[in-house]
Amino acid sequence: DTGVSQDPRHKITKRGQNVTFRCDPISEHNRLYWYRQTLGQGPEFLTYFQNEAQLEKSRLLSDRFSAERPKGSFSTLEIQRTEQGDSAMYLCASSLLRDREEKLFFGSGTQLSVL
Amino acid sequence: DQQVKQNSPSLSVQEGRISILNCDYTNSMFDYFLWYKKYPAEGPTFLISISSIKDKNEDGRFTVFLNKSAKHLSLHIVPSQPGDSAVYFCAAISIQGAQKLVFGQGTRLTINP
Repeated sequence: DTGVSQDPRHKITKRGQNVTFRCDPISEHNRLYWYRQTLGQGPEFLTYFQNEAQLEKSRLLSDRFSAERPKGSFSTLEIQRTEQGDSAMYLCASSLLRDREEKLFFGSGTQLSVL
Repeated sequence: DQQVKQNSPSLSVQEGRISILNCDYTNSMFDYFLWYKKYPAEGPTFLISISSIKDKNEDGRFTVFLNKSAKHLSLHIVPSQPGDSAVYFCAAISIQGAQKLVFGQGTRLTINP
């Protein structure tokens, strides 16, 4: 399978715990995005990387959230001291910016439930 | 600030008929538009896209129309099939402006047999 891979698919945690998600993008893609989606809403941008550089972070990304992409390959998203409001599906996407096109390909997401 | 809007939360269409999903945007910097389809508990799947230099793009049963003066795009699915039942997201990006992809709220399409 050469698509975007996310792990785990589901995570249930208690409030106050730390969680970490992993994303493996399509190998030749140089851009990697994190989005968050709640029920009834479209995906909301969190942050993105071009290679290993984090180029933009949304205001939605509080200081409890941190993302890394060491070596420009896989990426991790960590949420510290989780809150119930963090419950959502966390989506990773990768893309190859080319000419006038940038198509993002999404993974299956990590569904986080904070109890 | 909702830059991409899908004003119809849901749409119900009979199998075999045409489905038309609409999307409006406010940012004139957007130069590339995409439609994604999403099933429950899965990530969005790319469906079709269009560059701002075009006004129509067709791929099989799917056609996307772009009206830049009205800042409006639509997705036509014909003929509609039961497997098309899903949530459809419109998305836009300014590639020239180096801005990230922005999504609408989604429209739930239900195809009735």
